[in-house]
Amino acid sequence: GAVVSQHPSRVICKSGTSVKIECRSLDFQATTMFWYRQFPKQSLMLMATSNEGSKATYEQGVEKDKFLINHASLTLSTLTVTSAHPEDSSFYICSAGPTGRETQYFGPGTRLLVL
Amino acid sequence: QKEVEQNSGPLSVPEGAIASLNCTYSDRVSQSFFWYRQYSGKSPELIMSIYSNGDKEDGRFTAQLNKASQYVSLLIRDSQPSDSATYLCAGGAQGGSEKLVFGKGTKLTVNP
Repeated sequence: GAVVSQHPSRVICKSGTSVKIECRSLDFQATTMFWYRQFPKQSLMLMATSNEGSKATYEQGVEKDKFLINHASLTLSTLTVTSAHPEDSSFYICSAGPTGRETQYFGPGTRLLVL
Repeated sequence: QKEVEQNSGPLSVPEGAIASLNCTYSDRVSQSFFWYRQYSGKSPELIMSIYSNGDKEDGRFTAQLNKASQYVSLLIRDSQPSDSATYLCAGGAQGGSEKLVFGKGTKLTVNP
């Protein structure tokens, strides 16, 4: 149990376009999901907390207008990278856990390359 | 003090040895702790959770929690080359949210 999926696993886009990444909890409901970014050989960096039915909470230094988060149901959160630029190229990973529990399970990640 | 601190390593052990990974935490971290394993190019995978003082064993893995010393460790017995990965220690953030606070990870290499 406790499976989290992400789609797509890999995406290549042109600079200036927007990219949407989906994160789904497959066998549990999650009121809260988390979005991370990881650059090569660096640590995980929490970008934002996605809250079902309300606004996301962004970490300091993360532009909320650039990284749009929508958590429309208890099993789906989406991250949209708007007007992507090459510096946004990174490994984006979501995590989720059953509501009320601290245990978090990670999705397989989405590798974004902006040309 | 950072909320969760780990020795970044790298830690290198021979195959069959015990690998010991350590983590300390501050008062800003709650009493739930997790160890994740991250292979290069992959996302983290949960391997152990521990909530109470003492040891918790799962196969070749043993997690140890010492709340008085604010110390969490992970022991890997009979280390295998397939255990080579970065190990992340995480604690729950104070405040009742489900957010986790991660250490920067320790890179482990098990040499055949």
